[in-house]
Amino acid sequence: QVQLVQSGAEVKSPGASVKVSCKASGYTVTIYYIHWVRQAPGQGPEWMGFINPRDGSATYAQKFQGRIAMTTDPSTSTLYMELTSLTSDDTAVYYCAREGSALDVWGQGTMVPVSS
Amino acid sequence: DIRMTQSPSSLSASVGDRVTISCRASQGISNYLAWYQQKPGKSPKLLIYAASALPSGVPSRFSGSGSGTDFTLTIGSLQPEDVATYYCQKYNGAPWTFGQGTKVDIK
Repeated sequence: QVQLVQSGAEVKSPGASVKVSCKASGYTVTIYYIHWVRQAPGQGPEWMGFINPRDGSATYAQKFQGRIAMTTDPSTSTLYMELTSLTSDDTAVYYCAREGSALDVWGQGTMVPVSS
Repeated sequence: DIRMTQSPSSLSASVGDRVTISCRASQGISNYLAWYQQKPGKSPKLLIYAASALPSGVPSRFSGSGSGTDFTLTIGSLQPEDVATYYCQKYNGAPWTFGQGTKVDIK
């Protein structure tokens, strides 16, 4: 079945970076864009951007420009989202989601607490 | 950027009631509007796309309507398993902005 399986929780210190992985299976990975969405505790989802797995091109939300990178490893059907210069405001659950009809398949989420 | 505004922010209704949630875009987005359901501790789940289309497996008591700037999600007969927070999202181009959510519970 179609699945997105994300990497496990990571605790980070302020100023550090985090790289979250999202392994796709059950469909042809190069056909569908992958989006990244985060959700801070008690808040609504926040869209971060998307990547075209076919060519690696990405579009980022303006808020994250300069400290975000979305990449892909076609050999393992795995997508990555790296966020640098973390602050406590980046504490959130990070999701990957497939762009089919809107965001039709979601990963299980990766919790990233940022704390000193 | 286009802003998405949902109302109400929360509601409480009885089992079997008809429930409506509104979502307004600050500019026209045609029918590029999706609704998601999120239960506590879970990932969002796609409920409606293209303003009114139901993905396979979504119960028929859920329906969506609207175009342009004003959209509505309707739960035809509220069930206990519908307790969740509902979000709208525009997807006619970046950024894919979400509404702030509507929390639905049982009275």
